[in-house]
Amino acid sequence: DAKTTQPTSMDCAEGRAANLPCNHSTISGNEYVYWYRQIHSQGPQYIIHGLKNNETNEMASLIITEDRKSSTLILPHATLRDTAVYYCIVRRLPTGNQFYFGTGTSLTVIP
Amino acid sequence: SQTIHQWPATLVQPVGSPLSLECTVEGTSNPNLYWYRQAAGRGLQLLFYSVGIGQISSEVPQNLSASRPQDRQFILSSKKLLLSDSGFYLCAWSFARDTQYFGPGTRLTVL
Repeated sequence: DAKTTQPTSMDCAEGRAANLPCNHSTISGNEYVYWYRQIHSQGPQYIIHGLKNNETNEMASLIITEDRKSSTLILPHATLRDTAVYYCIVRRLPTGNQFYFGTGTSLTVIP
Repeated sequence: SQTIHQWPATLVQPVGSPLSLECTVEGTSNPNLYWYRQAAGRGLQLLFYSVGIGQISSEVPQNLSASRPQDRQFILSSKKLLLSDSGFYLCAWSFARDTQYFGPGTRLTVL
């Protein structure tokens, strides 16, 4: 599975959009981009995933660049409860069992 | 909808004592089940996964074992805990090798 690079930490004002970037320049054509988040002392929570098209669900939007070498997770209206560590993961389906969680981005939503 | 349960939520055990952590999934049949460990400030490490009753695969050699006595029950055990077994233990499930959904976790401290 391809490696990902994320900023260590970010701040976002409450009510504003939070844009979390992820670089995955070595991604291959059959690898998906996944996003999870982990609130302190809880299990990781699945957010969204995509292959090459932009995706949106009730939690967030995922924007993948045309060359697929980077992506951005967008939380449209951040709340204090969105403070968490956000993990960007690329994973080939259907092979492989493990999701490789790196160090992620620690997002702090500021009142 | 599917729900995953883990217990206990926290556990403090002396070195050399036995361990049994339980994970159950509701609302699905024949899920893939996983045990991960997260050490403080680090990523998740896959310990075991199971594709069916009685079928266990170990990812790393260690002091722990896993069993799947029922379709939706996954148990993590140890006969004698080591200090290095301390960590945050997470159970996850998936349909085949699709998106993994994590439980709330068990924080184990070995003293």
